Amino acid sequence: GENVEQHPSTLSVQEGDSAVIKCTYSDSASNYFPWYKQELGKGPQLIIDIRSNVGEKKDQRIAVTLNKTAKHFSLHITETQPEDSAVYFCAASKSREYGNKLVFGAGTILRVKS
Amino acid sequence: NAGVMQNPRHLVRRRGQEARLRCSPMKGHSHVYWYRQLPEEGLKFMVYLQKENIIDESGMPKERFSAEFPKEGPSILRIQQVVRGDSAAYFCASSFSGGRTDTQYFGPGTRLTVL
Repeated sequence: GENVEQHPSTLSVQEGDSAVIKCTYSDSASNYFPWYKQELGKGPQLIIDIRSNVGEKKDQRIAVTLNKTAKHFSLHITETQPEDSAVYFCAASKSREYGNKLVFGAGTILRVKS
Repeated sequence: NAGVMQNPRHLVRRRGQEARLRCSPMKGHSHVYWYRQLPEEGLKFMVYLQKENIIDESGMPKERFSAEFPKEGPSILRIQQVVRGDSAAYFCASSFSGGRTDTQYFGPGTRLTVL
């Protein structure tokens, strides 16, 4: 089955710096890659997603890149702010005929120091 | 526009009791997914349901766990004869059509503690 690996497990950056989190996946049939932000005691919140027909997507300070050949995708956060501190999860899924389930990475704890 | 709702938010059970977790999907969503998050870990898929149908239960433990999504009312995740290892956060997500690469929106979770 699909396996998603996520690095680093923890990341500390200074406010205003950029943060990059990387994920690799094993199943070449995966075609949807969302990123979720989870704050303490809350449910995961979708922050950005990318589909396999696109190489890059940007939404204000957040961007995601996808390399299908290498089977990896990355989250980029620019101009980090203290409120960006949270746990970030990447995930991968295949299309409906395979069940649509999300396979998550283990998560990255991001700390933004002010 | 209410998001995914889960209740209770916190549930405490003694070993051997039953736990019932409820999930109401977003308005207009007919597909529900349940995930489990053990302490300090990522989320693991358990089951995917549509109204009155279980589509994929490949992540569900074979014993003691069951899920349903009736025609009327919320989806229910039921854990019988709970054990300490069932202590975790259980999250429900919903999507609009369940078609290709549908976006899943998560609820706030139910934190189950087994004493």
